[in-house]
Amino acid sequence: GQNIDQPTEMTATEGAIVQINCTYQTSGFNGLFWYQQHAGEAPTFLSYNVLDGLEEKGRFSSFLSRSKGYSYLLLKELQMKDSASYLCAAMDSNYQLIWGAGTKLIIKP
Amino acid sequence: GAVVSQHPSRVICKSGTSVKIECRSLDFQATTMFWYRQFPKQSLMLMATSNEGSKATYEQGVEKDKFLINHASLTLSTLTVTSAHPEDSSFYICSARDLVSGDTDTQYFGPGTRLTVL
Repeated sequence: GQNIDQPTEMTATEGAIVQINCTYQTSGFNGLFWYQQHAGEAPTFLSYNVLDGLEEKGRFSSFLSRSKGYSYLLLKELQMKDSASYLCAAMDSNYQLIWGAGTKLIIKP
Repeated sequence: GAVVSQHPSRVICKSGTSVKIECRSLDFQATTMFWYRQFPKQSLMLMATSNEGSKATYEQGVEKDKFLINHASLTLSTLTVTSAHPEDSSFYICSARDLVSGDTDTQYFGPGTRLTVL
């Protein structure tokens, strides 16, 4: 079957670095997405990885290892506004999205 | 875990026809379902919020007569794209909230429906 796993909740301190992991099993693979979702709002696109490696975009970086079925989202210099849910979604060979349940990130001062 | 399905996964239709997309919560009840539209590598754009037994709430700029939403039961919401045109081609994603869990922040997302209008 297809599934995707990510931690339910993480806590980090303002100014620190946090890594949110995501593992996936899909029928075929057409890339992995990370979204940020604040309560009551629509998910905001953060990154898309289809090739192995690290992609950096400002304070956020995303990493993919296709052989391991593994990705992580790295957030640096954490700010209070980074408190949100982070969704990992893998696209299978039929271009369907398999969603993780989301990781609720709590930032403390 | 909570599962949301969508049907069909992919549809190709002629311009001017109507297309119905179903969103189902398979193992939980959802009073609220959301319909999103996604363009490649972009954020999900909320189109409307669907509430069981009442009219949907549409976001600004979304034509309610064109995108008909029906939430007839606690496990099913449908989006009908009426008189579809090529510009309606997109990836439509639904999500649902679990009524019983009481977690009003968590949404469970469907796999999406890719609509292509010729």
